[in-house]
Amino acid sequence: DVKVTQSSRYLVKRTGEKVFLECVQDMDHENMFWYRQDPGLGLRLIYFSYDVKMKEKGDIPEGYSVSREKKERFSLILESASTNQTSMYLCASTGAGTYEQYFGPGTRLTVT
Amino acid sequence: AQSVTQLGSHVSVSEGALVLLRCNYSSSVPPYLFWYVQYPNQGLQLLLKYTSAATLVKGINGFEAEFKKSETSFHLTKPSAHMSDAAEYFCAVTRPSGSARQLTFGSGTQLTVLP
Repeated sequence: DVKVTQSSRYLVKRTGEKVFLECVQDMDHENMFWYRQDPGLGLRLIYFSYDVKMKEKGDIPEGYSVSREKKERFSLILESASTNQTSMYLCASTGAGTYEQYFGPGTRLTVT
Repeated sequence: AQSVTQLGSHVSVSEGALVLLRCNYSSSVPPYLFWYVQYPNQGLQLLLKYTSAATLVKGINGFEAEFKKSETSFHLTKPSAHMSDAAEYFCAVTRPSGSARQLTFGSGTQLTVLP
C-alpha cells in the first residue's frame, strides 16, 4: 500500500513565525502536491512538484513556498504565518503517467 | 478550464435509504473522473475512478458512479446507506496534461446518515 505521511497532525503557530510542513511518500512517486482545505471551498492546489528540485505554482501559491530536495520528501513553507493561513493542509502523491492521487492524513494548522 | 460542481453541500439520508451525490463537470478534453471520501480527521481515500473504459464504475464499500457524457455528470450512488458512510465526499476531474497530472476538486458534499 502507498503510504503518505505528514509530520504533524495538529500545529499551532503564532503570526509571523516561519512554519514547515513535511510530507513523505514511500512509493517512489514522481509527483507530489500540497493542498489546503477550507469549508465550502474543497481542496485548492498550492504548489506541486514533478521531480526533485522541480516545482510549479498551483492556484493559490501566495504566501507559500516549497522545497523538494529528495524524491520522497516535499515540504511546504509558510515564510511568515498569518491568521488567514489557518487551515487543513493535505499532501498527495502520484506516479508518472497516472492521475490517481494518494493523500496523507493532513495537518490542521492554527495561526494565532 | 476544467471545473467540478457538486450540487448540495450537505445531504442527509436515513440508514438503508438510497445515497445519491451529484457531480457535474466541465472539460475541454475527454476527462477522467474520480470520487474520493474523507472521514473525520483523515486524508482523502479513493472510492472509484472513471478512465474512459466502462461508463458504470464500481468502487469500494458498495458505491458506484455512472459517467454520462451527454449530461456531463458523474453522480455517486449507493443502494443502501450505512451509518459508516457518514463522511465528506469529493468529486474530481483531470486537468489537461501539464508538467504533472493534476486534479480539480469540487467543494465537497457532507453526507449524514440518520438512524
